[in-house]
Amino acid sequence: DVKVTQSSRYLVKRTGEKVFLECVQDMDHENMFWYRQDPGLGLRLIYFSYDVKMKEKGDIPEGYSVSREKKERFSLILESASTNQTSMYLCASSLVPTGTGDTDTQYFGPGTRLTVL
Amino acid sequence: GQNIDQPTEMTATEGAIVQINCTYQTSGFNGLFWYQQHAGEAPTFLSYNVLDGLEEKGRFSSFLSRSKGYSYLLLKELQMKDSASYLCAVRFSGGYNKLIFGAGTRLAVHP
Repeated sequence: DVKVTQSSRYLVKRTGEKVFLECVQDMDHENMFWYRQDPGLGLRLIYFSYDVKMKEKGDIPEGYSVSREKKERFSLILESASTNQTSMYLCASSLVPTGTGDTDTQYFGPGTRLTVL
Repeated sequence: GQNIDQPTEMTATEGAIVQINCTYQTSGFNGLFWYQQHAGEAPTFLSYNVLDGLEEKGRFSSFLSRSKGYSYLLLKELQMKDSASYLCAVRFSGGYNKLIFGAGTRLAVHP
């Protein structure tokens, strides 16, 4: 089974702090993704990576950066946390899609609920 | 941007059948996924459609009409454990398996 793990389930930080969220997958997936999930808005893509050291902005990248130094690890960085970044953060990974089957799915980690005070 | 629309909430009775609809803009469509998410947990994969028609997986089925930009998830013989949010996600061309998610449909199953 694919396993995606995230470093913390719950995190409380103060405004202005630098925050690191870590994600590790054990299935040698090329693609990794960071989302935030807010009530009524669904999952919104922050950043994704399709290879080591490669990254692309998603729909809401402002205030975030990412790092992928190793294939299995994808980090989300909040340079200076703000209260509007209080949210559930979900990491996901996937193979390069073939377009033909269920193996294209993304696999999600358990999420990190971040509160910024 | 690309909007993925699905109802916000639905309720149903244990043992019944429920259909959750999802609509999307057809331009650049390249696959549709359904996920289930229980409160406080990660989304888990239910089904994938890329061609028109019905995909059946036990009590769950998913239908796709590419020309209409329409999909539904059909849940049969509802059980209390099916109370969860159901997320519709669409992949569009040229995006490294990037998905656009709907806001999710929260389903409550009552005895």
